[in-house]
Amino acid sequence: QKEVEQNSGPLSVPEGAIASLNCTYSDRGSQSFFWYRQYSGKSPELIMSIYSNGDKEDGRFTAQLNKASQYVSLLIRDSQPSDSATYLCAVPNAGGTSYGKLTFGQGTILTVHP
Amino acid sequence: GAVVSQHPSWVICKSGTSVKIECRSLDFQATTMFWYRQFPKQSLMLMATSNEGSKATYEQGVEKDKFLINHASLTLSTLTVTSAHPEDSSFYICSAQTDGTDTQYFGPGTRLTVL
Repeated sequence: QKEVEQNSGPLSVPEGAIASLNCTYSDRGSQSFFWYRQYSGKSPELIMSIYSNGDKEDGRFTAQLNKASQYVSLLIRDSQPSDSATYLCAVPNAGGTSYGKLTFGQGTILTVHP
Repeated sequence: GAVVSQHPSWVICKSGTSVKIECRSLDFQATTMFWYRQFPKQSLMLMATSNEGSKATYEQGVEKDKFLINHASLTLSTLTVTSAHPEDSSFYICSAQTDGTDTQYFGPGTRLTVL
């Protein structure tokens, strides 16, 4: 079982719609969760972090965490073509790795079409 | 805040030469820096973790004598690819983290092409 798992997609949504990206993790002890966005040919950019169960909103982005279900998601409201990118779910210390190391999901490719 | 820079952004070199890549945290002190490599259409691969003033910890399969890492200060880490070969051509990305947090901020990356 992969430690951090995402649907690789591609996920295609029309402009203005809500894009829903999902991530599951295997280590019940995980406390921190990150979403990064990576445009093609660029490095990852941190867009959200979440530590507590529930929702966290930042602009058009909402991260949702459910530790009981070991599930974290990212919602993008009013999706724009500029949101088209690969979204990486990352969990530190997953699977007993040393402090600070991130375990990434395989990434979900999102395409927002006009 | 939390800006990480890398230099150079791209480099082309001849096979057999060495290339140094710098990673700087511009507005925070980075007690830990990470070096990643990414091949086209593949996931990020962690190469090594470096802590300021300590020797780097390399991931399994990464040659420490080929990829020399120095983290001499709280704002600077360098990766030197020694005797580079075409198979070392890749996108090298660093990230930085400050003590007490587990958030990593990524640099913009360095694209290395070895001819």
